[in-house]
Amino acid sequence: NAGVTQTPKFQVLKTGQSMTLQCAQDMNHEYMSWYRQDPGMGLRLIHYSVGAGITDQGEVPNGYNVSRSTTEDFPLRLLSAAPSQTSVYFCASSVTGTGNSPLHFGNGTRLTVT
Amino acid sequence: AQSVSQHNHHVILSEAASLELGCNYSYGGTVNLFWYVQYPGQHLQLLLKYFSGDPLVKGIKGFEAEFIKSKFSFNLRKPSVQWSDTAEYFCAVTRTDSWGKLQFGAGTQVVVTP
Repeated sequence: NAGVTQTPKFQVLKTGQSMTLQCAQDMNHEYMSWYRQDPGMGLRLIHYSVGAGITDQGEVPNGYNVSRSTTEDFPLRLLSAAPSQTSVYFCASSVTGTGNSPLHFGNGTRLTVT
Repeated sequence: AQSVSQHNHHVILSEAASLELGCNYSYGGTVNLFWYVQYPGQHLQLLLKYFSGDPLVKGIKGFEAEFIKSKFSFNLRKPSVQWSDTAEYFCAVTRTDSWGKLQFGAGTQVVVTP
């Protein structure tokens, strides 16, 4: 049982480049989300999805796009990377998004934008 | 604005000392409360959760937390810490009527010295 799988683990981008962070879960969870973790700021919600075809913005959505075409996958796209997007990104999933089920986290992607 | 506050950013203590980490939130209404832990180099894991019922909840590894509704607090405690408890601890809150929006505190880095 793989749980939540994130790829890549590390990535370096130049300002203006685009890329997609991949996230897949094999637990048939309806809810998936993306967080960024920055020192002294905890985890901040970027985007989330409560089911295939449904996405919504979190606390810090600017500069990021998401889509949810399948239950398993929830990719995060950076269209034009900026140094302010240097961070560690975590994907998480849960059975539902109501808060009654805890989040299962991936191992994270460390992104550096130069 | 809704917020989650963790008052201690860094805590250093010796093995066998007692630990208490504060968490306050500013949400109105009914909430679900969580403590997550992130060991060095690892992803976040659920330590314990409160949904309803007994306000004193017990989690893994000897941790417990007390929900005090009148104080909007959910403090984490452990009577006697071990070196292996060195980690970053995050409080998280969501309203029970709010789909998908789990909000994290900034985290508390705990270092336990042998």
